[in-house]
Amino acid sequence: AQSVSQHNHHVILSEAASLELGCNYSYGGTVNLFWYVQYPGQHLQLLLKYFSGDPLVKGIKGFEAEFIKSKFSFNLRKPSVQWSDTAEYFCAVNFYNTDKLIFGTGTRLQVFP
Amino acid sequence: DVKVTQSSRYLVKRTGEKVFLECVQDMDHENMFWYRQDPGLGLRLIYFSYDVKMKEKGDIPEGYSVSREKKERFSLILESASTNQTSMYLCASSPGGNGNTIYFGEGSWLTVV
Repeated sequence: AQSVSQHNHHVILSEAASLELGCNYSYGGTVNLFWYVQYPGQHLQLLLKYFSGDPLVKGIKGFEAEFIKSKFSFNLRKPSVQWSDTAEYFCAVNFYNTDKLIFGTGTRLQVFP
Repeated sequence: DVKVTQSSRYLVKRTGEKVFLECVQDMDHENMFWYRQDPGLGLRLIYFSYDVKMKEKGDIPEGYSVSREKKERFSLILESASTNQTSMYLCASSPGGNGNTIYFGEGSWLTVV
């Protein structure tokens, strides 16, 4: 079955620390990959997405993600987090020729000043 | 900007009641989705629709039905609400075609007592 795994459920960091959130998916075919963010009390917003081309994708607010096909991974990174990055982060995968997004269970990030 | 509007942010219903959650999008998108979001489980797809009057079951359709009579409107129906349907419900829409970004509404918090 197609699935998406996020192994970090809760991450706590101090401001200026570096961030890496893991995301792995189960399917070996063509995929489109997304990271969404949900700030407290707000709706889900797209952070970045990968369809094809350069496997290193840059998104909003200084986030980037790298698609490693051989590892079925799409990890999210940010070199220096801010308090305002406190949110829940969801990895999502759109398996080829479907319009459905399958989400991971989410990672709650807390950043302390 | 794409706008996905969910009619109710907070609802409290009694067990056995019939519940309607309404969603409207203003971008002429072909696809519309209903997810539920629960802590530790991420987002799970209930139903989606790729055209007017067309629908497909997602991963957890039991206890739910949907209606799409007009392109811009997608309704989620709980025929007989139960306490295990207490959750955050998210509506989303996307253009047709592979891998397009999905846009989310702000969510509806449903409590069934």
